[in-house]
Amino acid sequence: QVHLAESGGGVVQPGRSLRLSCVASGFTFSSYGMHWVRQAPGKGLEWVAVIWYDGSGSYYADSVKGRFTISRDNSKNMLYLQMNSLRAEDTAVYYCSRDGPTAAAYDAFDMWGQGTLVTVSS
Amino acid sequence: QSALTQPASVSGSPGQSITISCTGTSSDVGSYSLVSWYQQHPGKAPKLIIYEVTKRPSGISNRFSGSKSGNTASLTISGLQAEDEADYYCCSYAGSSTFENWVFGGGTKLTVL
Repeated sequence: QVHLAESGGGVVQPGRSLRLSCVASGFTFSSYGMHWVRQAPGKGLEWVAVIWYDGSGSYYADSVKGRFTISRDNSKNMLYLQMNSLRAEDTAVYYCSRDGPTAAAYDAFDMWGQGTLVTVSS
Repeated sequence: QSALTQPASVSGSPGQSITISCTGTSSDVGSYSLVSWYQQHPGKAPKLIIYEVTKRPSGISNRFSGSKSGNTASLTISGLQAEDEADYYCCSYAGSSTFENWVFGGGTKLTVL
């Protein structure tokens, strides 16, 4: 059974950094692209970043480009999101999501974790 | 990249059918078959219900169906049930040869009367 579990959220001051983690199980992690998607309180979904199955490519939404870095460790089935220079508008629940259901090319966000809340506030 | 446009709310009675529209542009919905739909109950993670415009993941009821015409995609839920009451989001790939991007709709709240 596919399972994704995020961790690392919390309250952080503006301008500071935070690293989110996502552990994957129940599927061949190294075969799938992975995304981070966020949802501000009471708002809709926003795509944040994607990383290719082998880590050789990564892309970002304009709103986080230059501040956030997505990475993965396929030997540990782990996905990460390093968030620097955090702003109040980054406050959201952050979800890790698998690009599926097929492993080849882009498809949809077919599996989601339960999310971790990041609050940026002084 | 602007968000896709969805109605803020729709409603229907049990047993009825409803359709939620999702309007984009020729740079996203109109250019790709990578349109997907998500159901989200309060306090829960989103759940994929339609991908590649018309496909249903394993375990998703055939009461859910998707379609696309031009720059507008649609989700139809037939035989409405109380448990269908949730927020629904559409999403489209909107990348190009030089960048990758996905855009979501603002979400539609479905009320089952």
